[in-house]
Amino acid sequence: DAGITQSPRHKVTETGTPVTLRCHQTENHRYMYWYRQDPGHGLRLIHYSYGVKDTDKGEVSDGYSVSRSKTEDFLLTLESATSSQTSVYFCAIIQGDTQYFGPGTRLTVL
Amino acid sequence: SQQGEEDPQALSIQEGENATMNCSYKTSINNLQWYRQNSGRGLVHLILIRSNEREKHSGRLRVTLDTSKKSSSLLITASRAADTASYFCATDVGNQFYFGTGTSLTVIP
Repeated sequence: DAGITQSPRHKVTETGTPVTLRCHQTENHRYMYWYRQDPGHGLRLIHYSYGVKDTDKGEVSDGYSVSRSKTEDFLLTLESATSSQTSVYFCAIIQGDTQYFGPGTRLTVL
Repeated sequence: SQQGEEDPQALSIQEGENATMNCSYKTSINNLQWYRQNSGRGLVHLILIRSNEREKHSGRLRVTLDTSKKSSSLLITASRAADTASYFCATDVGNQFYFGTGTSLTVIP
C-alpha cells in the first residue's frame, strides 16, 4: 500500500458544513493526488500536488481546495459540503510510473 | 474530459475461461496502466505498458496497446473466482492520470 493512510475512513456530514480529509504517506513521495469515485464515472482527479505548497487543479476541482504544508500530508477541504460531493475519495502517490492508492474515505453529505 | 472508456461495462464468465476487456482513450499518452479494484477497496496496480510497446505479459495477464487506434486490451487467461473485481485502465499524461469507467468482471465458480 506504499504507506498511505487516509482519515477519516467514513464520515457523514450535513450540507453547508466544512469537511477536511487527510492523506498521509510515510515514504517521502513527491507527487500526491486526490480522486473521487462515483458510479458510472470511474475515478476523477480533483487536485494533485508535486511538492510542498505546489498544487494544481484536476478535472473536477470546483468546490474543493487542497493544502500541502508537509511532504507527508495532503489535505482535501470541502469548504461548504453539498450533496453532490457524496462520494468515495481516494488519495494516491506515484512510485516510479505507477500510482498507489490509499484505502479511501467514504463521505456522505446529507 | 480525457477520460477513457472500458468495454464491456460488465462481463460474466465461467471459471477457467478467458476474459477480455478493452479500453479506448482520447489523447497521446506516456503509458497506459491497468488497475483492479475489489469491492470497497482501493485500486491495485496490475500492469503498465509504455507508448512504444505493443504487448506485455505478466503471469496470466496480457496487455496490448495500439496507439494509432488509441486503444488497449487486457486479457486474463484461465480466470479464477478470485479475479472477480472491477478493472480500470488509466492513461498517464504528464503526471496526471485519467481513468476509464471500468469493467465489472464476475467469474462464476
